[in-house]
This record gives sequence, C-alpha cells and structure tokens, in this order.
Amino acid sequence: EVQLLESGGGLVQPGGSLRLSCAASEFSFSSYAMSWVRQAPGKGLEWVSGISGNGGGTYYADSVKGRFSISRDNSKNTLYLQMNSLRGEDTAVYYCARNRGGVGGRSDYWGQGTLISVSS
Amino acid sequence: AIQLTQSPSSLSASVGDRVTITCRASQGINSGLAWYQQKPGKAPNLLIYDASSLQSGVPSRFSGSGSGTDFTLTISSLQPEDFATYYCQQFNNFPLTFGGGTKVEIK
Repeated sequence: EVQLLESGGGLVQPGGSLRLSCAASEFSFSSYAMSWVRQAPGKGLEWVSGISGNGGGTYYADSVKGRFSISRDNSKNTLYLQMNSLRGEDTAVYYCARNRGGVGGRSDYWGQGTLISVSS
Repeated sequence: AIQLTQSPSSLSASVGDRVTITCRASQGINSGLAWYQQKPGKAPNLLIYDASSLQSGVPSRFSGSGSGTDFTLTISSLQPEDFATYYCQQFNNFPLTFGGGTKVEIK
C-alpha cells in the first residue's frame, strides 16, 4: 500500500529555518506530482506547495512564496520542503500528499503529518 | 486566488439523515473540485474528485455534483463513521485552495 512518512518537524524560533522530508514507498514516486498541505491548530486546510513528477514545475501559495522551497529526489523517493524565515503563522501540522492528475490534481494519499511550532 | 465558500460551517444530523454540503467558488472552475473527509487527529481522506467521481473504496452513499461555481456533496444516509469535517478543494487554478470546512456533528 502507498505510504508517505513525513519527518523533520519540531520547535523553531521565528526567523529560523527547517527542512521537512517525506519518504514515499510502494508506488512509482517519479510518476506522480506531490504536494504539501498544512493545517494550523484548530483551523482548516491550506495548500502550501506542489511539484511535478520530474521536479521541473513548482508552485506555491502566496503566503509562503519566496520563503519556502519544494524539491524532490526521485532516486531516494523523497519529497522536501525547505522553510526559511519562519513566522508564528507557519505553526501547523504539515502533510505531504500524492497528486493524481498532475500538480494541479486531487490528493489521493496523505502522510500522517508532522508538527511545526514557530515560537520564541 | 480562487476563494471557496462552504456552507454551512457546521451542522447537526442524525444517523440515517440525508446531508448536503455546498461549496461556492469565487469564479468558474469547470469540474476541478474535490471533496475530503477529515477526522480529528487524522489526515484528510479523498472522497470525490472532478466534482462527481467517487474515489475508489469510498462508500456509494457519498456523491458529488456541480460545475462552474456551485458544487454539492451529498451523504444519502448518514452513518456513525461519517461524523467528521468535510472540505472542498479546487484544482482548476494555482494556487490550489480549500474551503473553510463543514463540521458534521451528531444530533
């Protein structure tokens, strides 16, 4: 069965950086676009970023553009999210998800999420 | 960015009830809409994609309809395991966006 396992979460100070990883297994990773979606405590879902299967196309929410960078290593079946200049409003559970139908497609499998807390 | 407005934001219903949730887009998105179910502490689960296509493994009591700007998720006969929060998502334009969610609670 498709598995997505996020890691790299934790507590970070405002202005700091963090890199999230998402290890994928049991599917042809390079054949699928991937996304990061976050959920602040007690709030709704927010799409953060997406990347095409070959990594050539990347897209961002306005709220993170210029601060976050999505990438992937298809040889390692791993998705990344580099987060810089972190703010309190970035505090959330971050999910990675597999997309069907390209970067702009629905997310049919999700990881369990990793919590990022931005606080001094 | 395209805004999605879900209504109601919450509802109370009984087992066996027919439940309808609506999602309105700020501009036309063709059929580029998905519905997800999320239970507390869990990741979202895809129910419907392309506005009306049922995701594999999802019970047939779930259905979706609509195109353009107005969409509906219907649960034909609410079951105990359906009490959760439901989100719509548009994938017609970047940035992708979600609705604010509809919490379905037990009456």
